[in-house]
Amino acid sequence: DGGITQSPKYLFRKEGQNVTLSCEQNLNHDAMYWYRQDPGQGLRLIYYSQIVNDFQKGDIAEGYSVSREKKESFPLTVTSAQKNPTAFYLCASSPLGPGTYEQYFGPGTRLTVT
Amino acid sequence: SQQGEEDPQALSIQEGENATMNCSYKTSINNLQWYRQNSGRGLVHLILIRSNEREKHSGRLRVTLDTSKKSSSLLITASRAADTASYFCATDEYETSGSRLTFGEGTQLTVNP
Repeated sequence: DGGITQSPKYLFRKEGQNVTLSCEQNLNHDAMYWYRQDPGQGLRLIYYSQIVNDFQKGDIAEGYSVSREKKESFPLTVTSAQKNPTAFYLCASSPLGPGTYEQYFGPGTRLTVT
Repeated sequence: SQQGEEDPQALSIQEGENATMNCSYKTSINNLQWYRQNSGRGLVHLILIRSNEREKHSGRLRVTLDTSKKSSSLLITASRAADTASYFCATDEYETSGSRLTFGEGTQLTVNP
């Protein structure tokens, strides 16, 4: 069953703690992305990666970090430096090549920091 | 920064009616995509239209693109209650990396049975 998975679905943390969100895909996609979505809003790009061991900052990278050690995995760490971390986080993947392809999304992780 | 702006922000219609959502953007694009999101879920790709295309159909969906006006519209015909969701446009900007998309704020569609 091919797809993209995110875990956990809900995550609760205390302020000041770092937390890592998991994203795994078995679609053999080269590119992976992390987005943040606030209530009633669109998606904002945090980080993206087009190849293993390389990634680029998106529009709102401050307070976040990522790694891409394997093609299948792109974990996102929300650090204590992120001022307002409570949000819905979405991971996506896509093939790479000439032009742009559709992105395949995971089910999301809802992070609540108190 | 958000490139696409959807209009209206919210739309409520009766089952069987058509729903039209609009998206405007600011810079030159390679293509424009529409996605759907059910509440609390991930996004699902609906349709991709390239900058050299003017209209595209997929089932009950019809997408138009006017690059001179930097706008696109998504028409859902004969709507069903199951079409209730948020709909987002996403643009692949000509000047940026070929793999990243910029999403709009979305239109919340409610189809009443």
